[in-house]
Order: sequence, then C-alpha cells, then structure tokens
Amino acid sequence: NAGVTQTPKFQVLKTGQSMTLQCAQDMNHNSMYWYRQDPGMGLRLIYYSASEGTTDKGEVPNGYNVSRLNKREFSLRLESAAPSQTSVYFCASSVGQVVNTIYFGEGSWLTVV
Amino acid sequence: GENVEQHPSTLSVQEGDSAVIKCTYSDSASNYFPWYKQELGKGPQLIIDIRSNVGEKKDQRIAVTLNKTAKHFSLHITETQPEDSAVYFCAASGGGYQKVTFGTGTKLQVIP
Repeated sequence: NAGVTQTPKFQVLKTGQSMTLQCAQDMNHNSMYWYRQDPGMGLRLIYYSASEGTTDKGEVPNGYNVSRLNKREFSLRLESAAPSQTSVYFCASSVGQVVNTIYFGEGSWLTVV
Repeated sequence: GENVEQHPSTLSVQEGDSAVIKCTYSDSASNYFPWYKQELGKGPQLIIDIRSNVGEKKDQRIAVTLNKTAKHFSLHITETQPEDSAVYFCAASGGGYQKVTFGTGTKLQVIP
C-alpha cells in the first residue's frame, strides 16, 4: 500500500519554464490537496479538490493550476516558473469532506533559478 | 479565515524531559485539531488529534489538551527520546469543506 505518491522528488527549473507535479493516491480517498512548505511559513494550501470533478483555490493559488484527472490523481502545474516558487511541495489526500486525517506524500523539492 | 499561531519555533530538551508546544487559533467554529510530526526529508504524519467535544486526549507518551474558551491547544510529550526529534505542526479545521490551517511548526531537538 503506497499511500500518496508524488513525482518528481527533485527538480531544477529555469525561470519561465513550465512543469507538472504528479500525484496519485491508492486509498480511495475523495479529497486531495497540494501544499507548499517554506521555512518559517508552515504548510500553505495551494489548491484542493474536495471530490472528483471539483477543484478550488487555497491560500496561495497564484502561479499554479491543477487538474483532478480522476479519483486517484491530482496534478499541479507551474505554467511559468518564478524563483518565488522555489519550495517543497506536498500532495495529500483525505477520505472526504468531513474533517479527518490528511495523508501526505513524501514531498517534491523544486528549485527555480 | 482561520489563523493558527504556534510557539515556540524551536525547542531543545534533554532526553527524558518533557516538551510542550502551544498553539492558538482564531475561528471559534473550528472543531478539529490535529498534530503532525515531520521527520527530515519526509511528509508530515498525524500523531494525535482532538475534537472540540473533548478536553484532553492521551496516547502513550503524547497528550493533547484543548481549551475552547481560550482558543488554544497544546501538545505534551513526556519522557522524550532522540527519535522524537522532528518538526511538529499543529492545525485547526472546522465547518464546511475540509480546509485545514497549519501552524508554522516547531523544531524539537532531543539531546541525548
């Protein structure tokens, strides 16, 4: 049981390049999330998908787009990377809309130069 | 929206001593308060949680207390061990869709 799997684990981008972070969960969860983690800032929600077919903005959505491809997969796209998007990105999932445990992936370290 | 403040940002304790991390929240509608532990190079993992109808919850060496009136909650780790060294996050959530707001984290170092 892999839980939440995200790829790639490490990536270096040049300013202006685009890339997509992939995420998949095998726990049959309805809700999925993308967070970014920066020193001293904790975990900030970028986008979330409460259920398949829906996506909503979180706290820091600017510069990102998401796609809930199916129930298992939720991708995060940077259309034109900026140095301010250098961060560690975490995909996560939970059973559903009722508040409960969030399960995180291992993280993706992104550097934009 | 919800605002969660967490203190201290770093904490060093001797092995065997207790560690306490404190958080405050702003939204009185919040009713779920999880704590996550993040080891180096890993994603956060839930270690304990408490709901607003409970004042205290224990799980072996870990306990969490909640004061809804004051809107603060705390994590207590007793008999600390080197493997407790990690970053700990508190969080608050409640109402409607699940949108969990995290604190800024506490880096706990347990000195052998």
